[in-house]
Amino acid sequence: AQKITQTQPGMFVQEKEAVTLDCTYDTSDQSYGLFWYKQPSSGEMIFLIYQGSYDEQNATEGRYSLNFQKARKSANLVISASQLGDSAMYFCAMRDVDQTGANNLFFGTGTRLTVIP
Amino acid sequence: EAQVTQNPRYLITVTGKKLTVTCSQNMNHEYMSWYRQDPGLGLRQIYYSMNVEVTDKGDVPEGYKVSRKEKRNFPLILESPSPNQTSLYFCASSLISLGFGGGTDTQYFGPGTRLTVL
Repeated sequence: AQKITQTQPGMFVQEKEAVTLDCTYDTSDQSYGLFWYKQPSSGEMIFLIYQGSYDEQNATEGRYSLNFQKARKSANLVISASQLGDSAMYFCAMRDVDQTGANNLFFGTGTRLTVIP
Repeated sequence: EAQVTQNPRYLITVTGKKLTVTCSQNMNHEYMSWYRQDPGLGLRQIYYSMNVEVTDKGDVPEGYKVSRKEKRNFPLILESPSPNQTSLYFCASSLISLGFGGGTDTQYFGPGTRLTVL
């Protein structure tokens, strides 16, 4: 079963506007972590933001915030004041801890964001 | 500088010719992992390692081997590569998580290795 679902293959946003990238997850664990990574055209994976399942406040990192709705199992990424350099592929991921304590990450299929000048 | 390095960055090879992609981290992380990225599929885990001499299969281990003889190194071995292993490969490392959801226990990724098997 798909653990992370990103339903938007591509998104467009006007420069300086805010954009929300959707992510829903599936787990029966009480303890888990949610991540967003950015992958520019150069290919590297850049960590953006993290939300722990027990964190009551939504995580924020500069222009990035994570809209965490635990009951709905969603972890949407909000980018405020979009910049041209935000054009990239964005991946949502969930850290799942199995019986051995392994710190495995499950990724969604990604959303390609294009910022329009 | 804290980093994960991979070599080579680009590789074109032929079916059946054994190859190794090296991965090294300088952060003293216990956990290391290999992923492959394919269009429309996101990143899928191949193998992971919790510590030296401890490795386990991820979601797509067929056709791959790994070893963890030293904490800093985690090479990915393709004994007999096939065209369906053409992909972008990432190595990643992190501290071992206790799994209680606290803290930024992110995985640090290498720059990627683009492999083409003809």
